[in-house]
Amino acid sequence: AQSVTQLDSHVSVSEGTPVLLRCNYSSSYSPSLFWYVQHPNKGLQLLLKYTSAATLVKGINGFEAEFKKSETSFHLTKPSAHMSDAAEYFCVVSGSGGATNKLIFGTGTLLAVQP
Amino acid sequence: DAGVTQSPTHLIKTRGQHVTLRCSPISGHKSVSWYQQVLGQGPQFIFQYYEKEERGRGNFPDRFSARQFPNYSSELNVNALLLGDSALYLCASSTTGFDNQPQHFGDGTRLSIL
Repeated sequence: AQSVTQLDSHVSVSEGTPVLLRCNYSSSYSPSLFWYVQHPNKGLQLLLKYTSAATLVKGINGFEAEFKKSETSFHLTKPSAHMSDAAEYFCVVSGSGGATNKLIFGTGTLLAVQP
Repeated sequence: DAGVTQSPTHLIKTRGQHVTLRCSPISGHKSVSWYQQVLGQGPQFIFQYYEKEERGRGNFPDRFSARQFPNYSSELNVNALLLGDSALYLCASSTTGFDNQPQHFGDGTRLSIL
């Protein structure tokens, strides 16, 4: 079965400092992995996706993630946090392979950015 | 291009009533999925439809049903509403519905059950 574990429920950084949001995955086959961001009272916005091409994936708004099979990790990073990055972030694996694209979400990491 | 649109944005119902939520996918997208997000949790998969046929169903009771229309829009129906059905209901669309395709979400319908 597919699953993702987000290792931190809350992360707080200062504006201009690096961001690291950690995610481990479990999958019985080569997974498709995604990071989504959710701002308060809004839907989910796709930040980036990994689908077995390059292991370092660049996304929108300066975010990137590295797929490490040996560590079963897909951590999200950004070199310099901005106040507008404050939101909830979800690590997501696509659920069953092939003909369906059921998404399985982690429990989320709430990112706070301090001025 | 318009994104995924959902209606209504907010809805208040009482226990035992039924509700219909609507979703219009991005133009050209043929797959629509529904998710339930309870406050403080990640979204949970309810249904996926592709080309008007159900492709996947999550672990939800039969009170939940959905359908997809020829124009690829979709409805989610919930009967005999319970307090626990209070949640943000999200619709997502994708091109083919295969697992390497990213899904694009609407802003959701906030359903409150009194």
